Amino acid sequence: NAGVTQTPKFRILKIGQSMTLQCAQDMNHNYMYWYRQDPGMGLKLIYYSVGAGITDKGEVPNGYNVSRSTTEDFPLRLELAAPSQTSVYFCASSQLSYEQYFGPGTRLTVT
Amino acid sequence: RKEVEQDPGPFNVPEGATVAFNCTYSNSASQSFFWYRQDCRKEPKLLMSVYSSGNEDGRFTAQLNRASQYISLLIRDSKLSDSATYLCVAYTGGFKTIFGAGTRLFVKA
Repeated sequence: NAGVTQTPKFRILKIGQSMTLQCAQDMNHNYMYWYRQDPGMGLKLIYYSVGAGITDKGEVPNGYNVSRSTTEDFPLRLELAAPSQTSVYFCASSQLSYEQYFGPGTRLTVT
Repeated sequence: RKEVEQDPGPFNVPEGATVAFNCTYSNSASQSFFWYRQDCRKEPKLLMSVYSSGNEDGRFTAQLNRASQYISLLIRDSKLSDSATYLCVAYTGGFKTIFGAGTRLFVKA
C-alpha cells in the first residue's frame, strides 16, 4: 500500500493564482483531512470529509475549497493565493476518527 | 491560551539519557490523547496512544493525568534516531483533533 500520497511536493505561486493540491489514499479510509502547518505552530485543520460527497469546514477554511467525489481522493483548491497561505499542507486519512495517517506534505510558497 | 501546550524545547540530551516531555490541555472534555513523532521536513506519524493507566511501548512510556490535565512522554535510553519533534495531540470529539506545536529533541553522541 502506498498509504497517503500528495502532489506536488513543492510549489511556488504568485499572488492571485489558483491551484489544486492533490491527495489520495489507498487504505479505504472513510475519513480524510487537510491541515496546514506553519513554523512553530501546531497543525490547523482546514477541511475534513467523512465520506464521498460529504465535506465540512475545519478551523481555518477561508481561502480554500474541497471536494470528495470518491473514497480515495480529496483535493484541496486554493483560490486567489495570498502570502498568508504560504505553509506546509498535509493530507491525512483515518478509519477511526482520531488515529490519522499523513501524506508527505506539500510545501507552498506564495510570493 | 492554546488548547494544547508544549514546551518547544529544544531538549539536547546525550545518548542513553532519559528525557521527559510534558503537555497540558485546556479542554476538560478531551476524550483521547496521543503522541505523534515528526522528523524534520516529514509528516507526523503516530507514536503511541495515552491512557490513564499508562502505556508503555519499549523505551517509551506515556501517561495521562486527567485531574491535572497533562500528558507526559518518557523516553529511556535515548538513541540518536529518537531526534525528532514530538507532538502532543488531544481529541475532543467530532473531528476536533488539536495538535500541540511540538517539542524538539536532539540526541547527541
